[in-house]
Amino acid sequence: GAGVSQSPSNKVTEKGKDVELRCDPISGHTALYWYRQSLGQGLEFLIYFQGNSAPDKSGLPSDRFSAERTGGSVSTLTIQRTQQEDSAVYLCASSLVGGSSGNTIYFGEGSWLTVV
Amino acid sequence: SQQGEEDPQALSIQEGENATMNCSYKTSINNLQWYRQNSGRGLVHLILIRSNEREKHSGRLRVTLDTSKKSSSLLITASRAADTASYFCATGVGNAGNMLTFGGGTRLMVKP
Repeated sequence: GAGVSQSPSNKVTEKGKDVELRCDPISGHTALYWYRQSLGQGLEFLIYFQGNSAPDKSGLPSDRFSAERTGGSVSTLTIQRTQQEDSAVYLCASSLVGGSSGNTIYFGEGSWLTVV
Repeated sequence: SQQGEEDPQALSIQEGENATMNCSYKTSINNLQWYRQNSGRGLVHLILIRSNEREKHSGRLRVTLDTSKKSSSLLITASRAADTASYFCATGVGNAGNMLTFGGGTRLMVKP
C-alpha cells in the first residue's frame, strides 16, 4: 500500500476485554515496529519484527501484551484483559531494511485505545 | 529513563522567528532522526543525520549533531503557524541501526 495502515483508528473497550490492533505495513518493508504513546507523552517502544520474527520484545509492558506477524506483512498487537492504563495511541511503523543503518521509519496514523 | 531527551518540553514563538529544539542522548548511536507529530497521531520523518555527520540542512530545517556531547539540535528558520506540532528526536541503536528510541518531544506553538 501507499502507507502504513492501522485499524481500528479508534477503539473503546470495557476493562477486562481483549482487543486486537492491526497494522498493514508498506509493501516490501521487512521491519515493523509497535510503539505506544500515552496522552502528551513520548513514544514507548513495544516490539520490533524483522520479517516474521521478533528479535526485540523487551518493550512489551506485561504478559497481557502479545504481537505476531505473518507472511512478513500484517501484524497484530493483542492486549488481553485490558486495563485502564492501557489507554493510549498505539503506533505502528515500518521500514525497508537494507544493509546500511538509518532507514527512514514510516508511521501509521495510530489506533487510539480507550479502556473504560 | 528515555534514551533521548528533548529540551525545551514546550516552546512558544511568533511567526517568522526561529525555533531551536535540543536533544540529548545517553548511549552511542548509529544515527539520529527528527520527527514531527501533528495532533497526537502519526509521526512524519523530517531529517536523518548519521553519527559521522555534523550538520544537515533540509529546506528551513537545520540539524546539528555533536557526538562528543551526545546532543543534537533542530533549528526551524522563519517559522510559520503551520509548523505548530510536537517534534521528537529518535536515536538509532542496535545491530541494524533501525531500532529507534524516542524522546519525550518538544511541543512547538507558532503564533500567527
